[in-house]
Amino acid sequence: DAGVIQSPRHEVTEMGQEVTLRCKPISGHDYLFWYRQTMMRGLELLIYFNNNVPIDDSGMPEDRFSAKMPNASFSTLKIQPSEPRDSAVYFCASSWGTPRTDTQYFGPGTRLTVL
Amino acid sequence: AQTVTQSQPEMSVQEAETVTLSCTYDTSENNYYLFWYKQPPSRQMILVIRQEAYKQQNATENRFSVNFQKAAKSFSLKISDSQLGDTAMYFCAIKYQGAQKLVFGQGTRLTINP
Repeated sequence: DAGVIQSPRHEVTEMGQEVTLRCKPISGHDYLFWYRQTMMRGLELLIYFNNNVPIDDSGMPEDRFSAKMPNASFSTLKIQPSEPRDSAVYFCASSWGTPRTDTQYFGPGTRLTVL
Repeated sequence: AQTVTQSQPEMSVQEAETVTLSCTYDTSENNYYLFWYKQPPSRQMILVIRQEAYKQQNATENRFSVNFQKAAKSFSLKISDSQLGDTAMYFCAIKYQGAQKLVFGQGTRLTINP
C-alpha cells in the first residue's frame, strides 16, 4: 500500500490567501484525522472523520478552518483567510474501523508557511 | 483528562549503545493503548511500537522494546544497539479504547553519534 498521501509537501503563501491541504488515506481505512504540529503546542488533533462524516471538530481553532471528506479516498483542510500564526506542519492520518481502531498511520505532512 | 509527559527534551548517545526514553501518563481509564512514534528529519511520523494496556507482556519490535508499568503509569522505550538512523524526535502517545483521539507528549530529541 502507498500509505497516507498528502499534498502539497510545502506551501508558502501570503496572509489573507486561501490555503487548501489535501489527503488521501490508506485504502480501506474508515477513520481520517487532521493534526497540526507547532513548536509551542506540539501535536494537536484538529478534526476526524468516520466513514466520511465529521465526528469531532472541537480541535479546529477558528471558523477560518474547515475540513471536508467528499469520499473515502479524499479529504481537504482549508484555511481562509490564512494568518501567520497558522504556520505549522499539518498531518493527515488514517486508521481502520472497529475493532481495529487503535493504530493511526500518518502521512508525510504539509509544511505551511504564511508570510 | 489524559496527559502525557516526556521528561527528557533531548538525549544523545553513541552508536551501538542502548538508550531508554521515558514517558509517563495520567489517565483514569483502564483500557487504553500506548504508542511510540518516531519523527526523523524527513518529518514523517512513523509508528515504532504499540502496547495494549490490558496486556502485561511488554511489546517488542526488533531493537525496540518497552517497559510498561501500568500501576506507575510509565511507558519507557528502550532502543538497543542504536544506529545512526535512529536519530529523530520520539513521541509517546495514548489513546482510550473506543475513542479516537491520540494525545501526544512533547517529544524527546534523540541523537545517535558515530
